Amino acid sequence: GAVVSQHPSWVICKSGTSVKIECRSLDFQATTMFWYRQFPKQSLMLMATSNEGSKATYEQGVEKDKFLINHASLTLSTLTVTSAHPEDSSFYICSARKVGGGTEAFFGQGTRLTVV
Amino acid sequence: KQEVTQIPAALSVPEGENLVLNCSFTDSAIYNLQWFRQDPGKGLTSLLLIQSSQREQTSGRLNASLDKSSGRSTLYIAASQPGDSATYLCAVTMNRDDKIIFGKGTRLHILP
Repeated sequence: GAVVSQHPSWVICKSGTSVKIECRSLDFQATTMFWYRQFPKQSLMLMATSNEGSKATYEQGVEKDKFLINHASLTLSTLTVTSAHPEDSSFYICSARKVGGGTEAFFGQGTRLTVV
Repeated sequence: KQEVTQIPAALSVPEGENLVLNCSFTDSAIYNLQWFRQDPGKGLTSLLLIQSSQREQTSGRLNASLDKSSGRSTLYIAASQPGDSATYLCAVTMNRDDKIIFGKGTRLHILP
């Protein structure tokens, strides 16, 4: 199988605080991990692409100082939303590609972030 | 810039019917195309992946076709069931190590 696990599945935080979301590939090593956000009834919008051991590549319009991405190992990437505000409330989903496994992407179950 | 469009945006059909979901993309030079299923508030489940050199893929009651030259793909669901109710997303990849570009999805509701 190819299982990607996200933690937490949901989180509520106060405005101004930071929240860390973890994305783990449980049974494979991932060369590349992707972070998406999804607003209600909208499609997934790519935020950034991360490769193990190197800096993440952010999409246009995504603030890299606000959405910190760390890909420290081949099985773990983290997204930290710093100084969160209500407009950051969204559904965040990560995906991962296998080392040598082609382009098929496997997705985590998502994290519902609510900033109050 | 690649754009992926899915039609219809929403669809309700009685249980047992066969149905087709459509996906089109503006740049035909794709590397592959993938269909996903997303249940409300959940992540994505990969259904079928079609490489650019392939014409179709089948898995159980699902069949996905790809006409790369015309920029179209269809997802055929046979003998629909209430458990098939979900949002179905079409996505393309342009190059081997490139990002995935999603359509907005088709919300499918199968009526018992």
